[in-house]
Amino acid sequence: DVKVTQSSRYLVKRTGEKVFLECVQDMDHENMFWYRQDPGLGLRLIYFSYDVKMKEKGDIPEGYSVSREKKERFSLILESASTNQTSMYLCASSPGTGERSTGELFFGEGSRLTVL
Amino acid sequence: GENVEQHPSTLSVQEGDSAVIKCTYSDSASNYFPWYKQELGKGPQLIIDIRSNVGEKKDQRIAVTLNKTAKHFSLHITETQPEDSAVYFCAGLRYSTLTFGKGTMLLVSP
Repeated sequence: DVKVTQSSRYLVKRTGEKVFLECVQDMDHENMFWYRQDPGLGLRLIYFSYDVKMKEKGDIPEGYSVSREKKERFSLILESASTNQTSMYLCASSPGTGERSTGELFFGEGSRLTVL
Repeated sequence: GENVEQHPSTLSVQEGDSAVIKCTYSDSASNYFPWYKQELGKGPQLIIDIRSNVGEKKDQRIAVTLNKTAKHFSLHITETQPEDSAVYFCAGLRYSTLTFGKGTMLLVSP
């Protein structure tokens, strides 16, 4: 089975702290994604990556950055956490195909971040 | 970019009833429409999908219909069971990224 593992299920951080959210997938997928989930707003795409060292902005990239040094690992970074970044963060991966199109996304179980 | 609207936001049904969730999309270039189910404490999981060259697809108790002219698609669940209770998300694919609807919380009462 495809497995997407997010290293932390629950984190509590203080305003201004630097936060790292780690995601690892074990199916050799090319594509990896970070979404943010908030009640009433659904899933919003923060950043995604089609390959190692590559990154693309999604719909809400402000306040975030990402790193993809290895194919299986995609990290989300909050350089200076703020209270409005309190949310559930979901990582996903999918196999790459022609034109980088994505079929099924495989999600991790999420990381719930609280910024005080 | 793509915009996906989903209705209703909450849906309560009795066990055995049918449930229908509807979505509309804005970009006629979108060509793939998956549905994801998210159970409490878990990540979303794909349950069914449809491509733009197909009008309907069924998988046991669930089905999806697509109307390209009207730019809307729907999820149909028949003979609902308590384990169908979850949040359901529709999505549209354009240029290799999925845009999700805001989700529907389905509650199936025994």
